[in-house]
Amino acid sequence: ETGVTQSPTHLIKTRGQQVTLRCSSQSGHNTVSWYQQALGQGPQFIFQYYREEENGRGNFPPRFSGLQFPNYSSELNVNALELDDSALYLCASSLVRTETQYFGPGTRLLVL
Amino acid sequence: EDKVVQSPLSLVVHEGDTVTLNCSYEVTNFRSLLWYKQEKKAPTFLFMLTSSGIEKKSGRLSSILDKKELFSILNITATQTGDSAVYLCAVDSGGGADGLTFGKGTHLIIQP
Repeated sequence: ETGVTQSPTHLIKTRGQQVTLRCSSQSGHNTVSWYQQALGQGPQFIFQYYREEENGRGNFPPRFSGLQFPNYSSELNVNALELDDSALYLCASSLVRTETQYFGPGTRLLVL
Repeated sequence: EDKVVQSPLSLVVHEGDTVTLNCSYEVTNFRSLLWYKQEKKAPTFLFMLTSSGIEKKSGRLSSILDKKELFSILNITATQTGDSAVYLCAVDSGGGADGLTFGKGTHLIIQP
């Protein structure tokens, strides 16, 4: 069974730039959730996609946006990067919306 | 606002010791409580608990939920250096649409 994969593994950007992070869900999973994990903190929910529609959203501004594709892979886009956006971005997939979420290895983003 | 509090935040023990990690929660609509182990990046799934008083076990790890007192514990017996990690507790309260609410984690260090 193919696990959750994310790309890239690391990324360095400067303030004001835009970034796109990618996630491939585990085989057979149709739901993808994105989380932001700052250093020393637990992951914080950004949003969830189910069958290509945004299914729920956490307390993040509109410059955080996403997409889910017909093969259930997903992208997280962040515009107008700020220093506080530096974090580990985790993607998790689940079989359906309400089932256990399995996490990918994350993308570590550094904003200078 | 949903809240998950873990204690202790960090713990250093010797190989062979038994540890108990705590997780208390306040959520509006409880569905399940999950434990994850995070070593470098990807949190790996350990347990999902939905029913009070029923212990889940996997090898040296076990966990139990008390829905009346709103807490869960994770026990690790005969600890090994490979158990060193951050242990995250999360609650699912929205059927997926609100994502998982995580605690800050317990950073466990097992000394040889």
